[in-house]
Amino acid sequence: EVQLVESGGGLVQPGGSLRLSCAASGFTFSSYEMNWVRQAPGKGLEWVSYISSSGTTIYYADSLKGRFTISRDNAKKSLYMQMNSLRAEDTAVYYCASGWVRGRFDYWGQGTLVTVSS
Amino acid sequence: DIQMTQSPSTLSASVGDRVTITCRASQSISSWLAWYQQKPGKAPKLLIYKASSLDSGVPSRFSGSGSGTEFTLTISRLQPDDFATYYCQQYNSPSYTFGQGTKVEIK
Repeated sequence: EVQLVESGGGLVQPGGSLRLSCAASGFTFSSYEMNWVRQAPGKGLEWVSYISSSGTTIYYADSLKGRFTISRDNAKKSLYMQMNSLRAEDTAVYYCASGWVRGRFDYWGQGTLVTVSS
Repeated sequence: DIQMTQSPSTLSASVGDRVTITCRASQSISSWLAWYQQKPGKAPKLLIYKASSLDSGVPSRFSGSGSGTEFTLTISRLQPDDFATYYCQQYNSPSYTFGQGTKVEIK
């Protein structure tokens, strides 16, 4: 059974940093493209970042302005998101999502809540 | 970035109804479109990919059509489990944008 389990969310002050992790199991992690997608409270879905199966191709949403960094460790079957200079508007549930095809989200984790507030 | 526009934003329907949701892209995305279902407090679930291909395990009452800039999701006979929010999403090119969502409510 495919499982994606996010962790690392929590309450952080504006300007602070947080590192999210996503542990994968039940599929060949190294063969899948990975993404982060977020959802602000009561709002719709927003794609955040993509990383190819090998880690060589990376994309970010323009709205992030260089504050977030995606990475993966295929040996550990894990995906990461380093989030710096956090703002109130980054408050959201962050989902990791895997896909067999670039940009498609076949499997989702349960999400981890990031709250940016003083 | 490619903008995705869904309509309607909210839809009230009864069990057994045929329901159609429309999604328009601001430029051609060929057939690189997916549909997701999300229930409150849960992660989204992939229903349809490449505009009309049903994901594994998804009931056949769901269907998708379209190409280029106009797409539709149809639920042939609405079931109690189908009351949820539905999102379209383009994966033609990054940013991989979503529509704003369509909430299907009980009439």
